[in-house]
Amino acid sequence: NAGVTQTPKFQVLKTGQSMTLQCAQDMNHNSMYWYRQDPGMGLRLIYYSASEGTTDKGEVPNGYNVSRLNKREFSLRLESAAPSQTSVYFCASNPGQGAVGANVLTFGAGSRLTVL
Amino acid sequence: EDQVTQSPEALRLQEGESSSLNCSYTVSGLRGLFWYRQDPGKGPEFLFTLYSAGEEKEKERLKATLTKKESFLHITAPKPEDSATYLCAVLDYGGSQGNLIFGKGTKLSVKP
Repeated sequence: NAGVTQTPKFQVLKTGQSMTLQCAQDMNHNSMYWYRQDPGMGLRLIYYSASEGTTDKGEVPNGYNVSRLNKREFSLRLESAAPSQTSVYFCASNPGQGAVGANVLTFGAGSRLTVL
Repeated sequence: EDQVTQSPEALRLQEGESSSLNCSYTVSGLRGLFWYRQDPGKGPEFLFTLYSAGEEKEKERLKATLTKKESFLHITAPKPEDSATYLCAVLDYGGSQGNLIFGKGTKLSVKP
């Protein structure tokens, strides 16, 4: 099993450009998450989707939008990139409420984004 | 406000030199405490979940313990392949489903 797959792995943008990070999981998980990881800051939640058809803001949602395309896929969009959005982005999933291992996150390998 | 503090920030050990990593937390009600391992350039990998004070879990050279205020990750006779950043995270009863609060991590280096 591939687990959680993120694309692209690396991306360089200019300020003001837009882009979408893609994430797909093949574990039939209900819940999916987008985190960013910055040096000295730890992992911070951007947006999450507790189940197909729902999305909610996390700790740092400003400047981002998300789409839960179907049960497998959860994308993160930067509409107008800013240098402050330079970071490593991780997608994660878990089985969701009521399931075995409900809160154990499985992470993707990450997408390193640089905004110039 | 929920808080998770990990110490030390970095730890350098000689192969075979046992030690412990600390994770102290402040939550209104603990639903679970999670330990992850993160290798450079990769996503975090799940190690353990602890749910109540007094609980312990082991995996190879790692043993995680939990009290009402903190968790320890004990590393016995570490090997160079144990070098990684270890992340601690908590899930609060007051938090939304699955929204873990992560600490900043402890970077462990084990020298042969």
